[in-house]
Amino acid sequence: ETGVTQSPTHLIKTRGQQVTLRCSSQSGHNTVSWYQQALGQGPQFIFQYYREEENGRGNFPPRFSGLQFPNYSSELNVNALELDDSALYLCASSTWGDRGHGYTFGSGTRLTVV
Amino acid sequence: DAKTTQPPSMDCAEGRAANLPCNHSTISGNEYVYWYRQIHSQGPQYIIHGLKNNETNEMASLIITEDRKSSTLILPHATLRDTAVYYCIVRLGGNQGGKLIFGQGTELSVKP
Repeated sequence: ETGVTQSPTHLIKTRGQQVTLRCSSQSGHNTVSWYQQALGQGPQFIFQYYREEENGRGNFPPRFSGLQFPNYSSELNVNALELDDSALYLCASSTWGDRGHGYTFGSGTRLTVV
Repeated sequence: DAKTTQPPSMDCAEGRAANLPCNHSTISGNEYVYWYRQIHSQGPQYIIHGLKNNETNEMASLIITEDRKSSTLILPHATLRDTAVYYCIVRLGGNQGGKLIFGQGTELSVKP
């Protein structure tokens, strides 16, 4: 079975720009969650997608948005980038309703905003 | 909305058991406790999870107190490769759809 793949692995953007991060979920999983991890901190939940709709959101402003596609892959879009958006962005896939250990994380995208 | 409290760092001798504590005194009845670890800013790796009962798998054991306000992750024979940040996590239930609430983590250093 394939794991979670994220692209790109590293990215440098300028303040005010927009960025799109991509995630391919693990085979058999239908739910995708996104997390932001600042340096030295635990990951913070951004939002989750199931059946191509947002289902649950953390304390992030509307300039953080996402999409889920019919093949369960997902994108995270961030508009009007700020310096504080610099972080490791993690994608996790799972199966909706599965109380097992179905959260598989990707290796993340390291975003640097300058 | 932090739900877990962990010591920031711990040391363990190679070959000995590593016992990592976690406090989750505000956990609700339908919320699971998960443990993940993260090495060198890679993606978090699943270790174990539980609701009420103690659990064991090939990697670790999870001991949850009867009142569910705290738990301990046990790595029975720590190796140098177990050096990582260990996160105690509460998984929200209900219509939250499985949101994971990470704590600050414990940085475990396994020493020769």
